[in-house]
Amino acid sequence: DSGVTQTPKHLITATGQRVTLRCSPRSGDLSVYWYQQSLDQGLQFLIQYYNGEERAKGNILERFSAQQFPDLHSELNLSSLELGDSALYFCASSEAGYYADEQFFGPGTRLTVL
Amino acid sequence: AQRVTQPEKLLSVFKGAPVELKCNYSYSGSPELFWYVQYSRQRLQLLLRHISRESIKGFTADLNKGETSFHLKKPFAQEEDSAMYYCALNSGSARQLTFGSGTQLTVLP
Repeated sequence: DSGVTQTPKHLITATGQRVTLRCSPRSGDLSVYWYQQSLDQGLQFLIQYYNGEERAKGNILERFSAQQFPDLHSELNLSSLELGDSALYFCASSEAGYYADEQFFGPGTRLTVL
Repeated sequence: AQRVTQPEKLLSVFKGAPVELKCNYSYSGSPELFWYVQYSRQRLQLLLRHISRESIKGFTADLNKGETSFHLKKPFAQEEDSAMYYCALNSGSARQLTFGSGTQLTVLP
């Protein structure tokens, strides 16, 4: 699959725990974006990385952090999980991170916090 | 702050009828506007963007700066157009894509 990939597909965990979501961008794309989609908040931008550096920050909680590695894959770390963190987490990538770029989305990771 | 409003959560039309999905935005500068679509069991994907001024799958969208709108239109809806449609805005200063809440379009046979 040459598109954006995300692992795992599903994740079920308990409150207070920590999880790591992984994203591999499309080949050649330098920018990675993370989004959270919940029923009450819709699709919310969390954070963007470009070639390993943080470029833009949205509504990301302090309990959440992300990074982009030299091979350009990215990880989103969610800690001290709460019930309200249950959501679909999407990763997207784009060629250059320019604001008019098309973003290519992954299939998402569904996180359930019990 | 930038904001995108899609007033209709659900929209149903009959096959062959015209369809218009509304999108209004608030941003004082020169935003870039997009329509993304998510078909059942598929990924969110770009349908069209203002900067390209293209017509994709028969859909068009015109940016009306006076009314701050970017409505999506198609003259003759097809059943395969049934999907969730999201309007989104990005700006050079904010550097983030802001999505509307989405409109679920159902095209009835």
